[in-house]
Amino acid sequence: AQKVTQTQTSISVVEKTTVTMDCVYETRDSSYFLFWYKQTASGEIVFLIRQDSYKKENATVGHYSLNFQKPKSSIGLIITATQIEDSAVYFCAMREGVSGSWQLIFGSGTQLTVMP
Amino acid sequence: EAAVTQSPRNKVAVTGGKVTLSCNQTNNHNNMYWYRQDTGHGLRLIHYSYGAGSTEKGDIPDGYKASRPSQENFSLILELATPSQTSVYFCASGGLGGRTGQLYFGEGSKLTVL
Repeated sequence: AQKVTQTQTSISVVEKTTVTMDCVYETRDSSYFLFWYKQTASGEIVFLIRQDSYKKENATVGHYSLNFQKPKSSIGLIITATQIEDSAVYFCAMREGVSGSWQLIFGSGTQLTVMP
Repeated sequence: EAAVTQSPRNKVAVTGGKVTLSCNQTNNHNNMYWYRQDTGHGLRLIHYSYGAGSTEKGDIPDGYKASRPSQENFSLILELATPSQTSVYFCASGGLGGRTGQLYFGEGSKLTVL
């Protein structure tokens, strides 16, 4: 079975700096999809960014980007110019299943605190 | 705007009682999911569905049933609730095609079993 591991339980950074959150995954599939989600203090969970394994370019959305290292089975989330409102729990996830029959397997999450 | 709504948002139940958590989505998505969130475990998949009338077991299905009577509705049923099922439960829906893997989550339902 596939597995997603986030070893960093919590990270604290100063506002306007760059932070990287780590995630490693296990899969036997040759083609796969990786995701990052954000859970705010209110409990809301939202999709942030996605990486398709067959794409060599790292995905970027706004001030979020990914560091995809396929040989290491690693998909890090980079947040540049962090803001107070980036404080949240960040989940890494992998899609399991094919075509329409898919589900997401999540890591345990990393709590990010951005301090002024 | 994609929308997934859960009810109840908060529930206190007694051990051995029956609990039903309901989820409604207006995204017209085929796929729906139930996760539970506990400290240190992240989001764990309980049951999911690929369409009306279908349900599948996720990673932690023991003690839970699911029902998908229509495209819009997906319920999680605890026939005999236990204190270990105290948790926050999230429902989500997901589509196909270019947005495959992108889940839309409900607000969460906090369940306390005494």
